[in-house]
Amino acid sequence: ETGVTQTPRHLVMGMTNKKSLKCEQHLGHNAMYWYKQSAKKPLELMFVYNFKEQTENNSVPSRFSPECPNSSHLFLHLHTLQPEDSALYLCASSPADRITYNEQFFGPGTRLTVL
Amino acid sequence: EDQVTQSPEALRLQEGESSSLNCSYTVSGLRGLFWYRQDPGKGPEFLFTLYSAGEEKEKERLKATLTKKESFLHITAPKPEDSATYLCAVQAKSGGYQKVTFGTGTKLQVIP
Repeated sequence: ETGVTQTPRHLVMGMTNKKSLKCEQHLGHNAMYWYKQSAKKPLELMFVYNFKEQTENNSVPSRFSPECPNSSHLFLHLHTLQPEDSALYLCASSPADRITYNEQFFGPGTRLTVL
Repeated sequence: EDQVTQSPEALRLQEGESSSLNCSYTVSGLRGLFWYRQDPGKGPEFLFTLYSAGEEKEKERLKATLTKKESFLHITAPKPEDSATYLCAVQAKSGGYQKVTFGTGTKLQVIP
């Protein structure tokens, strides 16, 4: 595997379910991100992890819970979601150094539908 | 609050018909402006970073330019494979090093 991978690619869940999204990067980067992409809206940054430490949390509801066990893996745990949470969830990674931090590499995303 | 506005929302071009996409931004001190390309069903793909007004960068048929208020992505003699959504994003000096604000994108369709 190369680049940034995400599983599953598609997920349908009920409002009472608990599920997790997984992201893995094979680029040797130290920063990882979760974004939400909804139709007609800009990408919304949700969480940022730098060397496994959470450095950004953009007022995301507690029904979204991130986990970063190491610099290569990132999870997003989901529970009691709402239909308005249906969107494309994108994972990205970047080098953590200040020269190339902005070159974020994205995974293909998980298309989430909440019924 | 940082803001990014992209126009037009959608653009349809004939193959070979050059044009430009616009990204207007409001930010309290620009650290960097980024262009990404996103194909359907895929994540955004990094294209360029611009740091200061007057800077230009090129990649194949694409050329990005930056002023103090906006950026343009010029597409010269586009081909059907250039069809995609182009996203612009900015990063402010006041924000964290990894925090970027995205626009809603311009959906480009190039007709053979």
